[in-house]
Amino acid sequence: DTGVSQDPRHKITKRGQNVTFRCDPISEHNRLYWYRQTLGQGPEFLTYFQNEAQLEKSRLLSDRFSAERPKGSFSTLEIQRTEQGDSAMYLCASSSQGGAVTEAFFGQGTRLTVV
Amino acid sequence: QQQVKQSPQSLIVQKGGISIINCAYENTAFDYFPWYQQFPGKGPALLIAIRPDVSEKKEGRFTISFNKSAKQFSLHIMDSQPGDSATYFCAALNYGQNFVFGPGTRLSVLP
Repeated sequence: DTGVSQDPRHKITKRGQNVTFRCDPISEHNRLYWYRQTLGQGPEFLTYFQNEAQLEKSRLLSDRFSAERPKGSFSTLEIQRTEQGDSAMYLCASSSQGGAVTEAFFGQGTRLTVV
Repeated sequence: QQQVKQSPQSLIVQKGGISIINCAYENTAFDYFPWYQQFPGKGPALLIAIRPDVSEKKEGRFTISFNKSAKQFSLHIMDSQPGDSATYFCAALNYGQNFVFGPGTRLSVLP
């Protein structure tokens, strides 16, 4: 499978717990995005990486959220001290940014439920 | 200025009909405009995309029309099928930054 892979697909956690999600982008893609999507809404930008550098973070990304992309390959998104409002689908996408924009492809997402 | 507006919010079309979804933007720095299709519980899937130097792009039953002066673009689905029933998102990219998504259109194609 050469698409964007996300793990886990579903996560149920108790409020206050920490969770970590993983994203494996398409191998030749150097840009990786994280988005959050709630029911009935479009994806909202959280952050993106160009190789291992985190270039932009949304104001939606509170200090409880942190993302990393060591060595410019896979990425992790960690949420500390989860709150019920964090319940959403967390989407990862990757693209190849060079001289011209190419398409961004999304993974299947990780659905987080905070109880 | 980073917002992308999308209409209608929901759309019901008979099988074989034409589905039309419209989007508008303000930021003239946007230079790439993809459309995504999303089924419940799945991630968005890239459907078709256009750059502002082209006024129309067609792939199978899907066509994007782009009006640069009006800062509007639309998706046309010809011969709509029940399997097209999904939520459709337009998006825009400012090169070097992130994708901005519209709020989505829920399409239902009646058999």
